[in-house]
Amino acid sequence: NAGVMQNPRHLVRRRGQEARLRCSPMKGHSHVYWYRQLPEEGLKFMVYLQKENIIDESGMPKERFSAEFPKEGPSILRIQQVVRGDSAAYFCASSPRGKGTGTEAFFGQGTRLTVV
Amino acid sequence: GESVGLHLPTLSVQEGDNSIINCAYSNSASDYFIWYKQESGKGPQFIIDIRSNMDKRQGQRVTVLLNKTVKHLSLQIAATQPGDSAVYFCAETFNTGNQFYFGTGTSLTVIP
Repeated sequence: NAGVMQNPRHLVRRRGQEARLRCSPMKGHSHVYWYRQLPEEGLKFMVYLQKENIIDESGMPKERFSAEFPKEGPSILRIQQVVRGDSAAYFCASSPRGKGTGTEAFFGQGTRLTVV
Repeated sequence: GESVGLHLPTLSVQEGDNSIINCAYSNSASDYFIWYKQESGKGPQFIIDIRSNMDKRQGQRVTVLLNKTVKHLSLQIAATQPGDSAVYFCAETFNTGNQFYFGTGTSLTVIP
């Protein structure tokens, strides 16, 4: 059973371009979380999705950021018109049930976005 | 060696010694806690969890202690090994919330 798969591992974008980060949850997991981590900082929650639904996007910036988790395929975190401040590591986690049941979330290896 | 995650973000211990990493959480409604280990360039890895109806839980070489009165969580690593060198995060959550709240983290360095 493969773990949470994120790709690409490293992504370089010029200011103003779009970044698309992909996350394939573990098999059988229908709950996905996206977190952002700045160097030497903790992980900051961005968004929580179930299949085809955004449950909580309270951590997402209001502009330029969007996320989806379609019925088929990976979850996508999209950042439009990237700026240097978007440079960070973006982690995806998945769980088989909603977090409310106290279920641990399994993390992927992350995508390191660098905006030049 | 011992550290308080928010005030001493780095901890160095001799190989073979025991390590204690501390975490103060803020939400009295938090009812589930996880310790994660993050090695350089990798994602967080689950170590051990504890629910609020417990005050102690043991795993292999690790023990988590929860003191709800003072909202304090600690991770004890016995016989620390070089492979334990990493950043350790505590994460808290509560039943009606949708996210895990992560602390700043403590960097553990094991000296051979």
